[in-house]
Amino acid sequence: ETGVTQSPTHLIKTRGQQVTLRCSSQSGHNTVSWYQQALGQGPQFIFQYYREEENGRGNFPPRFSGLQFPNYSSELNVNALELDDSALYLCASSPGTAYTDTQYFGPGTRLTVL
Amino acid sequence: RKEVEQDPGPFNVPEGATVAFNCTYSNSASQSFFWYRQDCRKEPKLLMSVYSSGNEDGRFTAQLNRASQYISLLIRDSKLSDSATYLCVVNPHAGNMLTFGGGTRLMVKP
Repeated sequence: ETGVTQSPTHLIKTRGQQVTLRCSSQSGHNTVSWYQQALGQGPQFIFQYYREEENGRGNFPPRFSGLQFPNYSSELNVNALELDDSALYLCASSPGTAYTDTQYFGPGTRLTVL
Repeated sequence: RKEVEQDPGPFNVPEGATVAFNCTYSNSASQSFFWYRQDCRKEPKLLMSVYSSGNEDGRFTAQLNRASQYISLLIRDSKLSDSATYLCVVNPHAGNMLTFGGGTRLMVKP
């Protein structure tokens, strides 16, 4: 196991609602990255947090936002949910932001938007 | 054009077969390269990093061709447990914000 945990495991929401997903990083890791994986596709990078600051962002609208806490755990918030937001949301922690720092993935949160 | 392209498969092979997957990437400044394995409805797990010199881990061999922007994975003596989706992953930045291909599905049959 990677030591990265995510909650909840599954979630069902309706269009227009808001959702918060949580991730606890592996001990000693200060960087958390979030990815969205739609069915049948590879994960897509949403954003990365390093020491409580957003360090980079992919091509996602502002209604996708995040936070990182002093213990390096992280939240992903999605406002005004759309049907296309249905996906597996993965967080990955790493010991830093260098290209040599391996990312370790949590088990994911499966979000269904009805 | 997608940043990382893979043949989605599926590749159906018998046990013991050798199978090769390829992927291409568009950003010539990419810094690091990986193969991840993903089992159905599970998280991706790092299989191996990929270097220009090539690297081998047991039955798995990965190769990077920077000039052609091409990455390969060779699996020898396939096992039933190798059945999974194999994700080609490129780090296009100096940091570690990963770009994934769509994955190649492998099914190993008895």
